[in-house]
Amino acid sequence: DADVTQTPRNRITKTGKRIMLECSQTKGHDRMYWYRQDPGLGLRLIYYSFDVKDINKGEISDGYSVSRQAQAKFSLSLESAIPNQTALYFCATSGSGRHTSYNEQFFGPGTRLTVL
Amino acid sequence: SQQGEEDPQALSIQEGENATMNCSYKTSINNLQWYRQNSGRGLVHLILIRSNEREKHSGRLRVTLDTSKKSSSLLITASRAADTASYFCATDSGGSNYKLTFGKGTLLTVNP
Repeated sequence: DADVTQTPRNRITKTGKRIMLECSQTKGHDRMYWYRQDPGLGLRLIYYSFDVKDINKGEISDGYSVSRQAQAKFSLSLESAIPNQTALYFCATSGSGRHTSYNEQFFGPGTRLTVL
Repeated sequence: SQQGEEDPQALSIQEGENATMNCSYKTSINNLQWYRQNSGRGLVHLILIRSNEREKHSGRLRVTLDTSKKSSSLLITASRAADTASYFCATDSGGSNYKLTFGKGTLLTVNP
């Protein structure tokens, strides 16, 4: 089973709709991240959370909100979707352990979102 | 804005050849990492090099770091068709937050 899962994997929606993307992890990591990827632009950080009570804005947080429901779950919401939010969205986790450090991030498979 | 910039944007080679990708960054870093992304899938961590290291190896991967030039290179030796992917460098500036800043990536195509 995948350590970091994202649902849905694909979503097509209309302008103005509220959308929630979900991320779950079984790695026991305390840190979770949401990125978006656009062609030719690499990954840009939307929000990140270092524990359940800690939420921080990233580089491009406008138009997005997040919820850290539990250590293992981190959701990204688009309150009113617009076409330029069409992108590939990735969740990632990191944690300190015997063989890992906070430096290394583990990514989910991504959610392809299209806003018409 | 991106911290790292990979060069070239795209690279096409034959199987068995070596592939070299470069990354330049703008501000001081704590660590630099390289990640790989197969088409449309999540990124996978390849290797991390610390700011006080100059070279690191992992299997067929060799990473160098020149902090005076603010640049790093990733060398993949004896490339295989399965190495076809996009490669991203990512930097963090240390401190307590360990946020990564990714470059735009190099698309490597290895032709059989």
